[in-house]
Amino acid sequence: NAGVTQTPKFRILKIGQSMTLQCTQDMNHNYMYWYRQDPGMGLKLIYYSVGAGITDKGEVPNGYNVSRSTTEDFPLRLELAAPSQTSVYFCASTSDPNNSPLHFGNGTRLTVT
Amino acid sequence: QKEVEQDPGPLSVPEGAIVSLNCTYSNSAFQYFMWYRQYSRKGPELLMYTYSSGNKEDGRFTAQVDKSSKYISLFIRDSQPSDSATYLCAMTDTGGFKTIFGAGTRLFVKA
Repeated sequence: NAGVTQTPKFRILKIGQSMTLQCTQDMNHNYMYWYRQDPGMGLKLIYYSVGAGITDKGEVPNGYNVSRSTTEDFPLRLELAAPSQTSVYFCASTSDPNNSPLHFGNGTRLTVT
Repeated sequence: QKEVEQDPGPLSVPEGAIVSLNCTYSNSAFQYFMWYRQYSRKGPELLMYTYSSGNKEDGRFTAQVDKSSKYISLFIRDSQPSDSATYLCAMTDTGGFKTIFGAGTRLFVKA
């Protein structure tokens, strides 16, 4: 079982470029999440999905978009990269957020210069 | 006011010490409480979870929840250098979809 897999591990973008962070899970979890982690700030929720075709905004959605066409995949898109989006991005999934923990990928480190 | 408050540390202790990590929260609807451990350049991994108030023990780790005070704690007994990591508290409200995290406390256990 691979769990939650994120690609790429690292990326450097120039201001204004776009990219997609990939996330896939093989646990058949309905619930998937994207968080960003800045030093000393914990994890901030960007977007989440409760199942294929259903997504909703979290605390910090501006500058990002998501889609959920399958249960397994939950890509995060940055359309016009800004320095404020320099962060570590984590994807997570769970079968039930009320009584099962989140399973995390190992993150994507993004630098925007 | 943040929904979840956690002192980011860093906290430095000698090997064998008892470590106490704490979080406070403001949303009384939170029912499911978790502690995650995160090593450098890795994703968080679940360490402990409790549902509603009470204590839960697992080896050297004890999690406590006091809903009346909106306060949760993680105790680590006989701390080891391998316990050096960032510890994040997290919580979810009943029927909610979102898990909210504290800022994380960096712990260093010196040999």
